[in-house]
Amino acid sequence: KNEVEQSPQNLTAQEGEFITINCSYSVGISALHWLQQHPGGGIVSLFMLSSGKKKHGRLIATINIQEKHSSLHITASHPRDSAVYICAVRWGGATNKLIFGTGTLLAVQP
Amino acid sequence: GAGVSQSPRYKVAKRGQDVALRCDPISGHVSLFWYQQALGQGPEFLTYFQNEAQLDKSGLPSDRFFAERPEGSVSTLKIQRTQQEDSAVYLCASSSDPLNDNEQFFGPGTRLTVL
Repeated sequence: KNEVEQSPQNLTAQEGEFITINCSYSVGISALHWLQQHPGGGIVSLFMLSSGKKKHGRLIATINIQEKHSSLHITASHPRDSAVYICAVRWGGATNKLIFGTGTLLAVQP
Repeated sequence: GAGVSQSPRYKVAKRGQDVALRCDPISGHVSLFWYQQALGQGPEFLTYFQNEAQLDKSGLPSDRFFAERPEGSVSTLKIQRTQQEDSAVYLCASSSDPLNDNEQFFGPGTRLTVL
């Protein structure tokens, strides 16, 4: 069983739809990251959170530490949001390494 | 530089060849990470440096993989006697403060293809 599970693995949406991507983890963490990766491109950090909720533009990330669950929401989705969204947890050990989910491939159609 | 840079961006190697991948972190960043991302998968941790000290190399898949950061800035990931299963994107990331929860900044990656 992966330590970080994401769902869905693939998601197709119509422009304007509200999108939710979920992440569950099984290890003790100090922080959770949501990352965006475009095909052939590098990884960009969207959020880092250890509690509660953060908002940036049309993106909202929430985390429930007790339930070991986080969600990434995209409001009013746009084709330029099409990318792979990756959840990663910062392992609570000395290294600060990230443990990644396998990603959610989002395609937003016009 | 403005961000983390990696070179080369693409590398094709014949099986058995040695390769060296370079990472230039953001200036002044103490922490440096190497990750391996196989096609269709999320990245997986390889190794971690705090300045020049390699504090964690638990993710290196075999003794053919070696990483160094001799002066605490630029890092090199070396793979000896490459195998086809080494084909992946190798990502480097850096962050400023190892003692706090800080964002990791990722480079564009090096896509290694072993024929």
